[in-house]
Amino acid sequence: EPEVTQTPSHQVTQMGQEVILRCVPISNHLYFYWYRQILGQKVEFLVSFYNNEISEKSEIFDDQFSVERPDGSNFTLKIRSTKLEDSAMYFCASSEHSQNTEAFFGQGTRLTVV
Amino acid sequence: GQSLEQPSEVTAVEGAIVQINCTYQTSGFYGLSWYQQHDGGAPTFLSYNALDGLEETGRFSSFLSRSDSYGYLLLQELQMKDSASYFCVASGATNKLIFGTGTLLAVQP
Repeated sequence: EPEVTQTPSHQVTQMGQEVILRCVPISNHLYFYWYRQILGQKVEFLVSFYNNEISEKSEIFDDQFSVERPDGSNFTLKIRSTKLEDSAMYFCASSEHSQNTEAFFGQGTRLTVV
Repeated sequence: GQSLEQPSEVTAVEGAIVQINCTYQTSGFYGLSWYQQHDGGAPTFLSYNALDGLEETGRFSSFLSRSDSYGYLLLQELQMKDSASYFCVASGATNKLIFGTGTLLAVQP
């Protein structure tokens, strides 16, 4: 069964460092997303991406964040200068059509900023 | 603002039926989904209601009432493996899912 894959599964970084979280969405999907979940809290939308550009972003997704689809398969989230409060589980998701259909989530990258 | 409220925790015994409620307040509402999450892992899709009424998928059913801004997930014949967090999720005209506060279901033997 096709799945969304994310690497690494866990990343520890020092405050102020840049991190890149990687995702390989399901191959025939057109819509890609990043969500985050702070421990014990709900899942929060960060950004959606379609047709090689951002289609929507939340207020969390400030200038520290950027997304890129550098080739035909990878979808990355970059955090330029990490803060302690960026520590969370980051989930990549993809869907074949619009958000109104089933979204498939990856297993997540647990980011710990120290 | 946009919000979806759920009970924080529900406990039930194996073989029982449990209902997890969700009330929502969102703009541009298209439909309500339910996702399951085990131990902080990947949320997995369970069901989607675009229209009022009941949708049944095996042991799980989901209900939506647009006029009441309310939905619920019904789990029948509970099994230990159903212990997880359950999120109601609103979707709309924009490309994002809005997750509810989540309900931690504990199934006891």
